[in-house]
Amino acid sequence: ETGVTQSPTHLIKTRGQQVTLRCSSQSGHNTVSWYQQALGQGPQFIFQYYREEENGRGNFPPRFSGLQFPNYSSELNVNALELDDSALYLCASSLKFEDTQYFGPGTRLTVL
Amino acid sequence: KNQVEQSPQSLIILEGKNCTLQCNYTVSPFSNLRWYKQDTGRGPVSLTIMTFSENTKSNGRYTATLDADTKQSSLHITASQLSDSASYICVVSADDSWGKLQFGAGTQVVVTP
Repeated sequence: ETGVTQSPTHLIKTRGQQVTLRCSSQSGHNTVSWYQQALGQGPQFIFQYYREEENGRGNFPPRFSGLQFPNYSSELNVNALELDDSALYLCASSLKFEDTQYFGPGTRLTVL
Repeated sequence: KNQVEQSPQSLIILEGKNCTLQCNYTVSPFSNLRWYKQDTGRGPVSLTIMTFSENTKSNGRYTATLDADTKQSSLHITASQLSDSASYICVVSADDSWGKLQFGAGTQVVVTP
């Protein structure tokens, strides 16, 4: 176990709804990255937070947004859900943004 | 176009046999390359990490090699076990990526008794 936890484990939403996914980073880690992993594909980088500031963003639309809190836990928010948003959402924490990332178990999101 | 290509897409091996997975990348400037193991429905777990100056790194029965000149890496699994059944993902970090990693699609390995 990496010490990174995510909630919920599974989630079912309908198209157009909004969703919030949560991540608790490993103790002492100040960097959190979020990834979207479609079935049979490698993870795709969404964005990264370092000390509560967004530190980089992948090729995802603005309806994907995030937050990092003072305790370094993080949220991923997705508005106006689309069917293609169905995926495993992974968060990963690290001590600094260039260090080895430790992944949580993921949240499986299904959009109907 | 994905900057990290892995092959084969999947493979089946008998328990106790060895196998080698390949990773080719075009990410530049190169910072480091990592191999992760991902069990079904779980998050990836780091196996090895190599920088430009390293050409081999071992972690138990897993041995990774890196040729930064040809931009190729391999992961060799020795004496495979049933628990090695997983997806193995090659991840490359660019020197200016500020932590943004380029992931391959993974090689799905199935070890059969």
